[in-house]
Amino acid sequence: AQSVTQPDIHITVSEGASLELRCNYSYGATPYLFWYVQSPGQGLQLLLKYFSGDTLVQGIKGFEAEFKRSQSSFNLRKPSVHWSDAAEYFCAVENQGGKLIFGQGTELSVKP
Amino acid sequence: GAGVSQSPRYKVAKRGQDVALRCDPISGHVSLFWYQQALGQGPEFLTYFQNEAQLDKSGLPSDRFFAERPEGSVSTLKIQRTQQEDSAVYLCASSSRDWGTVSREQYFGPGTRLTVT
Repeated sequence: AQSVTQPDIHITVSEGASLELRCNYSYGATPYLFWYVQSPGQGLQLLLKYFSGDTLVQGIKGFEAEFKRSQSSFNLRKPSVHWSDAAEYFCAVENQGGKLIFGQGTELSVKP
Repeated sequence: GAGVSQSPRYKVAKRGQDVALRCDPISGHVSLFWYQQALGQGPEFLTYFQNEAQLDKSGLPSDRFFAERPEGSVSTLKIQRTQQEDSAVYLCASSSRDWGTVSREQYFGPGTRLTVT
């Protein structure tokens, strides 16, 4: 069955420090992968997506993610975190029917 | 241009009441999805429309849940005889995705937070 695992429920990083959020997926075919961010009371905003091609994808707000087929991973990174990055982050894979299968999310806290 | 809008943003219902949640997708988007997000969880798929056709309703948790998109634009998710376990945020997303197109990005609305007391 298709699934997405985000092993870290909650991460705290200092402002200015680097960030890596982990995502592992289970999917039989070539996956279409996404990272979304959700601020309190808000909908989901797309940070970046991987469809094919270059395995390192750049997104908005300085985020990037790397697709590693051998590890079934699609980890999200940012070199320097800002206080405004505090939010919930969701990794998702799209199945053949078009629906998104989400992980449980990682809550990011940023300390000054 | 305008994004996906949902109304109401908040809804409190007494157990047993019926509720209707509305989604206005981005103009011209043929695909529309509904997701349910329980507290502290990721969104879970409920149902999918392509234009007015409901192509997948495998995620609807019970026959109390019903969705429609009669003119291929606005969609309504209806929950009959609400139960406490229905309390969640209901997210709507639209996409220009169609069979044969490349774009698969889904744009999400702000959600409707339903609380059943």
